Amino acid sequence: DIQLTQSPSFLSASVGDRVTITCRASQGISSYLAWYQQKPGKAPKLLIYGASTLQSGVPSRFSGSGSGTEFTLTISSLQPEDFATYYCQQLNSYPRTFGQGTKVDIK
Amino acid sequence: EVQLVESGGGLVQPGGSLRLSCTASGFTFSTYSINWVRQAPGKGLEWISYISSGSTIIYYADSVKGRFTISRDNAKNSLYLQMNSLRAEDTAVYYCARVQPSSLTGFMIYTFDIWGQGTMVTVSS
Repeated sequence: DIQLTQSPSFLSASVGDRVTITCRASQGISSYLAWYQQKPGKAPKLLIYGASTLQSGVPSRFSGSGSGTEFTLTISSLQPEDFATYYCQQLNSYPRTFGQGTKVDIK
Repeated sequence: EVQLVESGGGLVQPGGSLRLSCTASGFTFSTYSINWVRQAPGKGLEWISYISSGSTIIYYADSVKGRFTISRDNAKNSLYLQMNSLRAEDTAVYYCARVQPSSLTGFMIYTFDIWGQGTMVTVSS
């Protein structure tokens, strides 16, 4: 199985900050990676797929990059509605594993 | 509106069984593959099962293999998860998630684009 490791697990930031989350895969997955946002009590929401393609309707302050084993999710200017937990997911093979999550909290 | 709605969760004793349902609306259910994903209280997301549009391809996570069975009835726009021999560690919110194929430069990718609101399963005596 492909393991995904996110860092950091917890991040404290202020509105307007630039935020970067990293996801590392235990083996190469090309660009078969997605990012999701989850707010408390809600289902995950797809943000980015193919490592860097923005899902329709997602604000352009979100961006993704990387390929192979190292990927990043960047929020260029953190907004109040962005405080949430973010997960990466590999779409290269089954089982479709997720990273452990990164909680973005208010500083 | 494109929507998935789960139902069937509840409290069950260890060793018991439960059947979850996921009902689709707003899209042609029979043409999409679907997954089940669960989330234990305060924990991360865990993929547990996949079924193709015609039920010809099925996958399970090792943690549920032999105990859970995924199925679908395209005539009823419904997906099911039969859960047997339940354990305390199966306590979680269970989500169904649609697979959306997307064509990118040089490859196809299959994302989980629509999720239900989840149904809570609690395994406890």
